[in-house]
This record gives sequence, C-alpha cells and structure tokens, in this order.
Amino acid sequence: DVKVTQSSRYLVKRTGEKVFLECVQDMDHENMFWYRQDPGLGLRLIYFSYDVKMKEKGDIPEGYSVSREKKERFSLILESASTNQTSMYLCASSLYGRESTDTQYFGPGTRLTVL
Amino acid sequence: AQTVTQSQPEMSVQEAETVTLSCTYDTSESDYYLFWYKQPPSRQMILVIRQEAYKQQNATENRFSVNFQKAAKSFSLKISDSQLGDAAMYFCAYRSGLFSSGSARQLTFGSGTQLTVLP
Repeated sequence: DVKVTQSSRYLVKRTGEKVFLECVQDMDHENMFWYRQDPGLGLRLIYFSYDVKMKEKGDIPEGYSVSREKKERFSLILESASTNQTSMYLCASSLYGRESTDTQYFGPGTRLTVL
Repeated sequence: AQTVTQSQPEMSVQEAETVTLSCTYDTSESDYYLFWYKQPPSRQMILVIRQEAYKQQNATENRFSVNFQKAAKSFSLKISDSQLGDAAMYFCAYRSGLFSSGSARQLTFGSGTQLTVLP
C-alpha cells in the first residue's frame, strides 16, 4: 500500500512564526503536491514537485515556499504565518509516467491554526 | 484553465438506496482524466473511481459507477445500495491528458459534496 504521512495532524502557531509542514511518501513517487482545503473551495494546489529539487507553483503559491531535497520528502514552508493561512493542508504523491493516469495518494492532512 | 463544478454542497440518502452526485467541468481539451475522490470524516482522501475521456464505456467499481457525458461535460457518480460507511465528502477532479512537464500533472478539484447516509 502507498503510504503518505504528514508530520502533524494538528498544529497551532502564532502570527509571524515560520512554519514547516513535512510530508513523506514511501512509494518512490516522482510527483508530490501540497494542497490547502477550505470549506466551499475544495482543494487548491499550492506547489508541486516532479523531481528532486524541482518545483512548480500551483494556483495559490503566495506566502508559501517548498523544499524537496530527497525524493521521498516534500516540505511546505510558511515563511511568516498569517491568520488567513489557517486551513487544512493536504500532501499527495503520484507516480510519473507517460501512460500513467497519475492517481494521487493523499496524506491524512495537517490542520493548521494561526492565532 | 479548466474548472470543475459541483453544484450540490450537501446530499443525503437513506441506507440501501441509490444516490447520484453531480459534477460538470469546462475544458477545451479532448484528452483528459476525471476522478471521484472520497474523504471520510477525519480520514485520508482516497480514490473512488477514475474515467479516461477517450473511453466511451462508463467506469464501474463495485457499488460505484459514473455517468460520463463527454459532449455535455458531465461526470456524475452513482452510489448504489448506500452504506453508512459511504458518508463522506466527495470531490470530483480533472486532469489533463496531455503529456508535458509541470502543470499538466495537476488535478483541478470541485468544491465537494458532503454526503450523509441516514440509517
């Protein structure tokens, strides 16, 4: 079974703090993704990576950065957390391939509250 | 840019009955994939079913089936013999079939439908 894990289920931070959200997958997937999930908005892509040290902006990258130093690990960084970044953050991974349907496998999510 | 619309924020169904969740999408592409994902309360999102746009036959997975209408850009999910464990948020998602690096691999999600199953 594909396993995608996230470092925390719940996190409470203060405005202005630097926040790290970690995601690890154990299936040697090339692609990794960070989404945020808000009621009524579904999932919106923040950043994704299709290889080590490679990253692409998603739909809402402002206020976030990412790091992928190893294939299995993809980190989301909030340089200076703000209250409007209070949300559920979901990590996902998928296998790269020309014929692949790129099924994405999700982690359990991190519910971040910024006070 | 592609958009995915789920017009039913909430739905309910009686246990053992059938329910259909609606999804429409907008795209100018001819090659793409469509997905339904399920997110149970406090649990991980999992894939329910997937449909390749080039396939005319509707996908089926046990009690889950889709009605894919390519011309109408409609992709509804039918759940038969509903069970209490089907209660979840359901998301419809789109992915381009074009092979290219970068953004072609991302999924575009709808806003979700919260399904309640009544005993």
